[in-house]
Amino acid sequence: KAGVTQTPRYLIKTRGQQVTLSCSPISGHRSVSWYQQTPGQGLQFLFEYFSETQRNKGNFPGRFSGRQFSNSRSEMNVSTLELGDSALYLCASSLLDGYNEQFFGPGTRLTVL
Amino acid sequence: EDQVTQSPEALRLQEGESSSLNCSYTVSGLRGLFWYRQDPGKGPEFLFTLYSAGEEKEKERLKATLTKKESFLHITAPKPEDSATYLCAGGGYRGDSSYKLIFGSGTRLLVRP
Repeated sequence: KAGVTQTPRYLIKTRGQQVTLSCSPISGHRSVSWYQQTPGQGLQFLFEYFSETQRNKGNFPGRFSGRQFSNSRSEMNVSTLELGDSALYLCASSLLDGYNEQFFGPGTRLTVL
Repeated sequence: EDQVTQSPEALRLQEGESSSLNCSYTVSGLRGLFWYRQDPGKGPEFLFTLYSAGEEKEKERLKATLTKKESFLHITAPKPEDSATYLCAGGGYRGDSSYKLIFGSGTRLLVRP
């Protein structure tokens, strides 16, 4: 069974730009969660989508948004990028919700200059 | 406030030197305690889920245990390939039935040959 895939793997943007990251979950998994990982803050939960609906949301500003498509693929968008948005963005999928074990993708390394 | 604290932050072991990693948690409505392994530049890899105090799970040289306040990841006769950051996370439901997953900051394990 193929794992979670994320594209692109690396991204360099400048302040003020926007970016869209993509995540394809494991086949059959309906829940997709997004996380931001930085050396200082560790893994922080952004949001979770299930059946195209945002079910949970972390404490991030509205510049961070996402969506899920009918095939469970998900995208995350960050608008008006700031230097502090530089991080590894991880996507995780699970069968039903985060109560089940989550399987993570390799992440997208975003650098904001 | 929900919190997951891992100790030590870093641990250096000689190959074959057994030790334990600690994860202390206060997560209201806890439904599961998760352990992950993360290699540099990669997403976390699922290891174990523990659901109730007294539960133990094993995988190769790793054994995870759970009490009402802590979880331990015991590493028996580690090998250099066990070097990684080990993350624990507490998962549970809020009063509004939304899900939360709180990660600790991790323990960086280095096993020397």
